[in-house]
Amino acid sequence: DAGVIQSPRHEVTEMGQEVTLRCKPISGHDYLFWYRQTMMRGLELLIYFNNNVPIDDSGMPEDRFSAKMPNASFSTLKIQPSEPRDSAVYFCASSLTANNEQFFGPGTRLTVL
Amino acid sequence: AQSVAQPEDQVNVAEGNPLTVKCTYSVSGNPYLFWYVQYPNRGLQFLLKYITGDNLVKGSYGFEAEFNKSQTSFHLKKPSALVSDSALYFCAVRLRGFKTIFGAGTRLFVKA
Repeated sequence: DAGVIQSPRHEVTEMGQEVTLRCKPISGHDYLFWYRQTMMRGLELLIYFNNNVPIDDSGMPEDRFSAKMPNASFSTLKIQPSEPRDSAVYFCASSLTANNEQFFGPGTRLTVL
Repeated sequence: AQSVAQPEDQVNVAEGNPLTVKCTYSVSGNPYLFWYVQYPNRGLQFLLKYITGDNLVKGSYGFEAEFNKSQTSFHLKKPSALVSDSALYFCAVRLRGFKTIFGAGTRLFVKA
């Protein structure tokens, strides 16, 4: 198995632009998580899905952020419009069940100028 | 409030010496506890977990952790550190409703 796949690995954009981050979880995993990591705030859970349904989006910073999971093998995190303070590394992770460990993707390093 | 604390930002240890990375938690009910490691420019990797049973849990790369309910701690240990163990270590706890919260991380430096 290739593990959790994220794209792009790096994204540089200008303030006000729309950004879409993509994730393919490990096949058969029922849970998918989106995290944001910064030096100041550490690792923050943004949203997670169970069987493609969003369960807890309380970590989504504001309405500019949205996430979807149209099927079991694909999820997107969208920021529209982007701002410099959104610059961070965004991780996607998946797990088999709620009690299992999470498998993290390599992350997308987002820089908003 | 439910939380996970890693009291040390950084731990320094000489190669071959034992290492301990500390973690304490404050959650209601019986926690599910995890340790992850992050190498530069990589995602987090699972090391070990405690759900129930024996308080001493063994994991990957020779790491182990001891669950102490009375002290609400879950310290990560290794008998003999390697330079390659140098990385960022995260303690995590799974809450009711399946949300997982992570500690701030502890950077481990192992000197040759």
